[in-house]
Amino acid sequence: SSELTQDPAVSVALGQTVRITCQGDSLGKYFASWYQQKPGQAPALVIYGKNNRPSGIPDRFSASSSGNTASLTISGAQAEDEADYYCNSRDNSGDHLVFGGGTKLTVL
Amino acid sequence: QVQLQESGPGLVKPSETLSLTCTVSGGSINNAEYYWSWIRQRPGRGLEWIGYIYYSGRAYYDPSLSSRATISLDTSKNQFSLKLTSVTAADTAVYYCAREMYYYDTSAYREYDYFDYWGQGTLVTVSS
Repeated sequence: SSELTQDPAVSVALGQTVRITCQGDSLGKYFASWYQQKPGQAPALVIYGKNNRPSGIPDRFSASSSGNTASLTISGAQAEDEADYYCNSRDNSGDHLVFGGGTKLTVL
Repeated sequence: QVQLQESGPGLVKPSETLSLTCTVSGGSINNAEYYWSWIRQRPGRGLEWIGYIYYSGRAYYDPSLSSRATISLDTSKNQFSLKLTSVTAADTAVYYCAREMYYYDTSAYREYDYFDYWGQGTLVTVSS
């Protein structure tokens, strides 16, 4: 199965914009979905498809895609956005799913 | 509101079989729109997809676990289950069940999946 690569850690000043990226060969064919996980909690979906947010997810979360890279952007990061973020997609075979290694976001 | 709840032993001995069940409420698992997945997270590590099962009973597994994992459906109980054989300490993890949707975006000519509902997770420790 193919891999999805994320930066292990990213930081952002309160109220600023941050981009979290996910790279993988299969992202040229599949959109990624993005999950937020806070300590002790199950992951929660924040973005799916081209740029869709589930009900209740603030519009400061958005997604984009270019080539083999998917990006999650948080515009005006808030303290409550501090969490681990994971991307997810299918692999090149189309039969299996894979997660990125996760990015720990720190809001300063 | 769809809810998923994992259940099963929290402690399994090495070389034995880990067995977990996910009970789905608020919707039927016998539905062609969804896949039903198991995902795990080892202590201090990232998410790892184990496999999924479709309402037809067809299942797919991560290649690294395919020889040991089996996912099955019980539509009469609205449950799906995971069995993982020959466990070792490396299988100690929080195990999540989740509902997955697959979609084809006709305007972008791309497919995508997403996990929209998750269980709270259950910690399984492999130890003698």
